[in-house]
Amino acid sequence: QVQLVQSGAAVKKPGASVKVSCKASGYTFTGYYMHWVRQAPGQGLEWMGWINPKSGGTNYAQKFQGRVTMTRDTSISTVYMEVSSLRSDDTAVYYCMVEGNWGQGTLVIVSS
Amino acid sequence: QSVLTQPPSASGTPGQRVTISCSGSNSNIGSNYVYWYQQLPGTAPKVLIYRNNQRPSGVPDRFSNSKSGTSTSLAISGLRSEDEADYYCEAWDDSLSGLIFGGGTKLTVL
Repeated sequence: QVQLVQSGAAVKKPGASVKVSCKASGYTFTGYYMHWVRQAPGQGLEWMGWINPKSGGTNYAQKFQGRVTMTRDTSISTVYMEVSSLRSDDTAVYYCMVEGNWGQGTLVIVSS
Repeated sequence: QSVLTQPPSASGTPGQRVTISCSGSNSNIGSNYVYWYQQLPGTAPKVLIYRNNQRPSGVPDRFSNSKSGTSTSLAISGLRSEDEADYYCEAWDDSLSGLIFGGGTKLTVL
């Protein structure tokens, strides 16, 4: 079965960067786009972008362009999502998702 | 602002049938698969419906989806207390070349 295991929670200061990993198993890693979605406290789901694990191609939601970078390492079936210039409103749970299957989420807290 | 429109809340009594609507446009629901997710407090979303009307193994047939044009509707029959959760619809959007979600519907079992 599809399994997505994400890295642990992080606390960052405003202006810093955070990199979240998502290790995939149980399916053909290069066969499906991997999406990143975030959820701020008490809010809904917000799509951030996708990465094509086969080609490395990406597409980011306009809101995150210039601040988000998605990469992958096919040798270990892992995708990464980095957010730079963090602000307090980036405090959220970040999820990776593929074909309806979700990682457990990674809490990122941005606080001075 | 979410591109897919859902009611913010819904409610029902045990055993009742409830529906949650989700409306979009030709660039998303009208031309792509719809997914529905259930999210319990403090947990990751769980897929209830994928590719319009498919249920993953383990999801009871009390959950079903119908789609017509640019709208879709999740139905939950035989409502149970454990169905109390947030529900989100999702679809690929051709204009964005990405995913869009509904704003979520909080279901209360009275």
